[in-house]
Amino acid sequence: DTGVSQNPRHKITKRGQNVTFRCDPISEHNRLYWYRQTLGQGPEFLTYFQNEAQLEKSRLLSDRFSAERPKGSFSTLEIQRTEQGDSAMYLCASSLHGAKPQHFGDGTRLSIL
Amino acid sequence: AQTVTQSQPEMSVQEAETVTLSCTYDTSESDYYLFWYKQPPSRQMILVIRQEAYKQQNATENRFSVNFQKAAKSFSLKISDSQLGDAAMYFCAYRSARGNFGNEKLTFGTGTRLTIIP
Repeated sequence: DTGVSQNPRHKITKRGQNVTFRCDPISEHNRLYWYRQTLGQGPEFLTYFQNEAQLEKSRLLSDRFSAERPKGSFSTLEIQRTEQGDSAMYLCASSLHGAKPQHFGDGTRLSIL
Repeated sequence: AQTVTQSQPEMSVQEAETVTLSCTYDTSESDYYLFWYKQPPSRQMILVIRQEAYKQQNATENRFSVNFQKAAKSFSLKISDSQLGDAAMYFCAYRSARGNFGNEKLTFGTGTRLTIIP
């Protein structure tokens, strides 16, 4: 059990650029979740997958955001045409199945210049 | 929609003493899970304790215990014998137990920053 791994740890980009984050869940965990956490707030749900199927998306996930989990293992979260308001910590979590607790990664901190 | 409220932005406690962090939530559901997560500075979120709403018995994990009051929709965390390593942001979270597909998201409060005074 190596834990949930997220890359990169930090990403600095200019407004308008596209960014992609990667999450590797704990092996054999079929659920994978993405959250966003802004300064001084708790994490907010974005989307989640069961294997490769995306089962739920938050209204926070605008059309500039897309998430994939093509083979049911790692997942990517892409943000197109980044805006200042996208600056946040993006957290990934995984669980063995829906009823089990979610285990979080260290997060990717995105800063928009 | 469910909401989670943590009304104490910051708390402090002397090392070895006991501290209680408060959490209230609002839901129309009868079956759900409640969690306390700990987030140390610049480190990952760690599950501290979990409570199933259908269980009347309060959950305990070593020095951590909860006071779950379902009718009052209250879910407080008690940390006994506080240690320096307990310093962190603590988040209360809610998850529906309705079905296995969908409704799996965690809804978090805004957190309580706990400081341990040596």
